[in-house]
Amino acid sequence: SQQGEEDPQALSIQEGENATMNCSYKTSINNLQWYRQNSGRGLVHLILIRSNEREKHSGRLRVTLDTSKKSSSLLITASRAADTASYFCAAYSGGGADGLTFGKGTHLIIQP
Amino acid sequence: KAGVTQTPRYLIKTRGQQVTLSCSPISGHRSVSWYQQTPGQGLQFLFEYFSETQRNKGNFPGRFSGRQFSNSRSEMNVSTLELGDSALYLCASGPGPNEKLFFGSGTQLSVL
Repeated sequence: SQQGEEDPQALSIQEGENATMNCSYKTSINNLQWYRQNSGRGLVHLILIRSNEREKHSGRLRVTLDTSKKSSSLLITASRAADTASYFCAAYSGGGADGLTFGKGTHLIIQP
Repeated sequence: KAGVTQTPRYLIKTRGQQVTLSCSPISGHRSVSWYQQTPGQGLQFLFEYFSETQRNKGNFPGRFSGRQFSNSRSEMNVSTLELGDSALYLCASGPGPNEKLFFGSGTQLSVL
């Protein structure tokens, strides 16, 4: 089952603008993670936010977590062409048949 | 530090055959997870191993199996291949359960 669901499925913005992606999940979580994938290659970990945290920053990335709404958002500020990729949220509920479950991703295109 | 290494990078098999994929985790990582990625289903969790023990297993048929060795290297096997098994198979390692994952570049399996 798909624990995380990203919105929008695709996003195209101009270089320099901010990009916001949202993620919703279904069950209680231990932590929520965001990953980036370029052209069908391996995923790269961006940021991990634990269930007792509300906001986390890493460089140009800002992640928020609202456990009451079972949602998270990823903000990329001052976007660059190199940010063009697919972005996935992944929820870790602590085990069972789900492991770390990923959404289907948001495909982000940065127009130069 | 070397990253997660998956071999082979590409594989072409025919229906009914079996295949074994290999994954060498980052040195010191004892947790290894496997994922199947397809355009239609996205990233789906296969297995998670920690210190040679399978911690979690996804909802895949028994044709999919895996194991982890004492040096943390892992293999997954798919028997009696079907056309629908064509996918990118991704291996990821981590320092332990519940932590961020480091992904390999994947094995692209095509079943003809």
